[in-house]
Amino acid sequence: GAGVSQSPSNKVTEKGKDVELRCDPISGHTALYWYRQSLGQGLEFLIYFQGNSAPDKSGLPSDRFSAERTGGSVSTLTIQRTQQEDSAVYLCASSLDPAGALPNSYNEQFFGPGTRLTVL
Amino acid sequence: QKEVEQDPGPLSVPEGAIVSLNCTYSNSAFQYFMWYRQYSRKGPELLMYTYSSGNKEDGRFTAQVDKSSKYISLFIRDSQPSDSATYLCANGGGSNYKLTFGKGTLLTVNP
Repeated sequence: GAGVSQSPSNKVTEKGKDVELRCDPISGHTALYWYRQSLGQGLEFLIYFQGNSAPDKSGLPSDRFSAERTGGSVSTLTIQRTQQEDSAVYLCASSLDPAGALPNSYNEQFFGPGTRLTVL
Repeated sequence: QKEVEQDPGPLSVPEGAIVSLNCTYSNSAFQYFMWYRQYSRKGPELLMYTYSSGNKEDGRFTAQVDKSSKYISLFIRDSQPSDSATYLCANGGGSNYKLTFGKGTLLTVNP
């Protein structure tokens, strides 16, 4: 079946421009996550959606970052006024409802291939 | 202190070698420990996970958690060139969705 897809795969932008990154989760997955992977920092959690709600936005680095999810499916991560330090790979993941996981089981987070963002 | 610390590598071994990858963690509240494998220019994929402490084996791979020392290990037996990837350890808790990752260890298995 289809996995998590992300677009674009690569994005080069100029400092100060806005960018939108898209994520299509696996059908039926109610939970959706955004992570950022940068050299020297590893994978960092940004935001978590359960359905269309985002109960945890604690990882968003600044108010230039925002995300939304519509129809319990597609999500968009928007970065306004991009800075060079925003350059990274942005990864999206989806899973079944983590709150519904059986004891001793783990609702696997399935990752997309990522969007490589370069801010010049 | 980062919540999950991982040996940075890189690690280069000959084909057939036994590989040991290690992490330490600081948050004892989380009971799930995962190993993800990430090939170049791809997203991470789950290799295996353990719940609480002990060992778990899957083919050539063994994951081990020692809660007393807060140590997580992944062993790869009879390593193959196709095992060449970045290995990421992570922990979280069942209904706690937020995974905390180590920085990853780049492994190269040379034929």
